[in-house]
Amino acid sequence: AQKVTQAQTEISVVEKEDVTLDCVYETRDTTYYLFWYKQPPSGELVFLIRRNSFDEQNEISGRYSWNFQKSTSSFNFTITASQVVDSAVYFCALSGRSTGNQFYFGTGTSLTVIP
Amino acid sequence: DVKVTQSSRYLVKRTGEKVFLECVQDMDHENMFWYRQDPGLGLRLIYFSYDVKMKEKGDIPEGYSVSREKKERFSLILESASTNQTSMYLCASRYLAGGSRVEQFFGPGTRLTVL
Repeated sequence: AQKVTQAQTEISVVEKEDVTLDCVYETRDTTYYLFWYKQPPSGELVFLIRRNSFDEQNEISGRYSWNFQKSTSSFNFTITASQVVDSAVYFCALSGRSTGNQFYFGTGTSLTVIP
Repeated sequence: DVKVTQSSRYLVKRTGEKVFLECVQDMDHENMFWYRQDPGLGLRLIYFSYDVKMKEKGDIPEGYSVSREKKERFSLILESASTNQTSMYLCASRYLAGGSRVEQFFGPGTRLTVL
């Protein structure tokens, strides 16, 4: 089965706090890809990062970092020193050989950064 | 930059009306997708298309049909709109080459209200 779970429905943090968004996945594929998207209030999902199942190196991009751990089937996203512009809904997604062209999305985590 | 556009940002229709949602992409992508987004349910795939005149059912195709007569355009049709089809509709596209590693690019969404 292909499944992505984002257990945190809503998170609120005060500006400049760090926040981690959790993503847990299930897949029967040995090669698969994980993605994070950001959906600001304007509505359009914006691609943030892709990770393949053979690369467990953590990735950092500015204030954003991603922690991929195959042992726990998790691909967590941390925002350091959060800003009001980070307020959005964040989606984690999975694709793999058995999913064909389909992505499996989590239900999303709504992040509110309070000034 | 990839551009995915949707014909309307907001749409209000009456029960029983036939509704057309249009999506156009300008990057010659083979794959196109229609999702609906509802609170707590994340993104659910309605239909997708591998290429021109090809279509596949997603997870929730009931009450919808699609049309792909030209590569750049993918239309979602609600034959007889019902109130439970009130939702945010998101279109996406991606290249076929590269398989499951390739990200999807999203349009801004159409918020449809059926009265």
